[in-house]
Amino acid sequence: DQQVKQNSPSLSVQEGRISILNCDYTNSMFDYFLWYKKYPAEGPTFLISISSIKDKNEDGRFTVFLNKSAKHLSLHIVPSQPGDSAVYFCAASLYGGATNKLIFGTGTLLAVQP
Amino acid sequence: KAGVTQTPRYLIKTRGQQVTLSCSPISGHRSVSWYQQTPGQGLQFLFEYFSETQRNKGNFPGRFSGRQFSNSRSEMNVSTLELGDSALYLCASSLRGSSTEQFFGPGTRLTVL
Repeated sequence: DQQVKQNSPSLSVQEGRISILNCDYTNSMFDYFLWYKKYPAEGPTFLISISSIKDKNEDGRFTVFLNKSAKHLSLHIVPSQPGDSAVYFCAASLYGGATNKLIFGTGTLLAVQP
Repeated sequence: KAGVTQTPRYLIKTRGQQVTLSCSPISGHRSVSWYQQTPGQGLQFLFEYFSETQRNKGNFPGRFSGRQFSNSRSEMNVSTLELGDSALYLCASSLRGSSTEQFFGPGTRLTVL
């Protein structure tokens, strides 16, 4: 049972445009959400997170939006750069992120075309 | 500061064998978590150790086990390997239990033939 779903396996975007990566979850008890970025042959690296008490968190070019009623979150990257090309995983946690047990989605491969 | 290291990076085993993977966390980090990444399944949580105690466990069969030593280094063991165990095994360390402070290693690619 996949509690965190990323329904788009891949996304292609032109450099300078906006990239929007989507994630849906089924467990309403999740209260902390994270996005990780992964390059080939490397481990995932933390990108940005959001608590369930917020609906938006911004960090530079990256913004995460949370819609609790729809159980949906999205990551916006503006403007997209070729170096952003990687696999993006969304993840969910219980207990406000105060645990290392994360439930990951299956990932979306983002390709930013120069 | 050195990052999380995992050894070996690549491993080929045959069905029925057992395997031990090693993870050295960032110096000073006391928590180590393990994840399995397979195509189509994303990363799935295996277990978490904190100060030599297993604190959390994922939904994997008993063939998967782990331990943590007093220096925080961790090992995971898979016995009676099956073809479906072929995956990238990732280790992550953190100072305490906060997932935003979790740093991943490059992983061990296990292939079971």
